[in-house]
Amino acid sequence: SQQGEEDPQALSIQEGENATMNCSYKTSINNLQWYRQNSGRGLVHLILIRSNEREKHSGRLRVTLDTSKKSSSLLITASRAADTASYFCATVPSGYSTLTFGKGTMLLVSP
Amino acid sequence: GAGVSQTPSNKVTEKGKYVELRCDPISGHTALYWYRQSLGQGPEFLIYFQGTGAADDSGLPNDRFFAVRPEGSVSTLKIQRTERGDSAVYLCASSWTSGLNEQYFGPGTRLTVT
Repeated sequence: SQQGEEDPQALSIQEGENATMNCSYKTSINNLQWYRQNSGRGLVHLILIRSNEREKHSGRLRVTLDTSKKSSSLLITASRAADTASYFCATVPSGYSTLTFGKGTMLLVSP
Repeated sequence: GAGVSQTPSNKVTEKGKYVELRCDPISGHTALYWYRQSLGQGPEFLIYFQGTGAADDSGLPNDRFFAVRPEGSVSTLKIQRTERGDSAVYLCASSWTSGLNEQYFGPGTRLTVT
């Protein structure tokens, strides 16, 4: 079963714009991770945020976590055509050591 | 260094046949995971190894699915009596120590059951 739900399911923007994707989950967590997947294969880890953290940055990426609302957001600033991919949030539920993924957001960045 | 590798990259088999999918994790990673991803969905957890032992196999859909990691490195996912519904991309990932860390994914094996 899938724990998380990403919103929106698809997002289309122009290069240079910011992209925001949201994720909601159902149970308490150890951490939440965001992954990117190109062409239906090979997931790449982007960022990990622990349950006691509220915000994290990595380059053009900014992730927030609100455990009271069981939600997270991923912001990509100054997007590029190369950012076109599917983005997944994945949680490690409390008491577990494995990832539970959402269905993902498909991001299309047009030149 | 080398990432996670999976072989074969594509496998087409007939319904009822037996298949083996192989995963070579990153050297030194003690944790290894198998996931299955269907079109338009996120990866779905199958099984997690810590060293040689299966620490969590709760995601295996039924007893046709089995996985081993005899020496704590390479893992093989085995599917008996394949069904058309088994068609998916099978992803392997590894990580340092436990699942509380980031996971490194292989490119996957696309399994098609005809």
